[in-house]
Amino acid sequence: EVQLLESGGGLVQPGESLRLSCAASGFTFTSYAMNWVRQTPGKGLEWVSGISSSGGATYYAGSVKGRSTISRDNSKNTLYLQMNSLSAEDTAIYYCAKASQAYYFDSWGQGTLVTVSS
Amino acid sequence: DIVMTQSPDSLAVSLGERATINCKSSQSVFYSSNNKNYLGWYQQKPGQPPKLLIYWASTRESGVPDRFSGSGSGTDFTLTISSLQAEDVAVYYCQQYYNTPYTFGQGTKLEIK
Repeated sequence: EVQLLESGGGLVQPGESLRLSCAASGFTFTSYAMNWVRQTPGKGLEWVSGISSSGGATYYAGSVKGRSTISRDNSKNTLYLQMNSLSAEDTAIYYCAKASQAYYFDSWGQGTLVTVSS
Repeated sequence: DIVMTQSPDSLAVSLGERATINCKSSQSVFYSSNNKNYLGWYQQKPGQPPKLLIYWASTRESGVPDRFSGSGSGTDFTLTISSLQAEDVAVYYCQQYYNTPYTFGQGTKLEIK
């Protein structure tokens, strides 16, 4: 059974940084691209960033490009998202999502809440 | 960016009746080289993460009841629930995975009438 467990969320002040983690199990982590998707409380879904299976290719939404870095440690089956210069607009639940071979998202974690507030 | 627009924003349907949700993309998500539409549907229940229902616009994910079906091609797509059950109350999202940034529709909230 695929399991994705996010961690690292919390309350941070505007301008601060945060690193989210997603521990994966139940599948061959090295074979699949991974993604971060966020959801503003009460609102819809926004894809944030994606990374290829090897980590050699990364992709970002315009809203986080230049201040966020996605990475993965295939030896630890773990996905990361480093977010810098956080603002209130980054307040959301952040989900880790496994991509199928064709890039639709076939498994999701339970999410970790990031709150940016002074 | 490809903009995904769903209609309606909310929908109330009686138990056992058909529910239909539409999704329109601002550009085609059909890839002619493999004859596939890069369009998925997700279901999100309160307090839960989204769950994949349909991919390739019409292929049901394993374990998804056959009352759920997807159709459409190019820029216009539909999710149909043939006979609404109480457990189908949720918000439904379409998503294009044709190119990045992958984008979702705004969601359609489905309720029981």
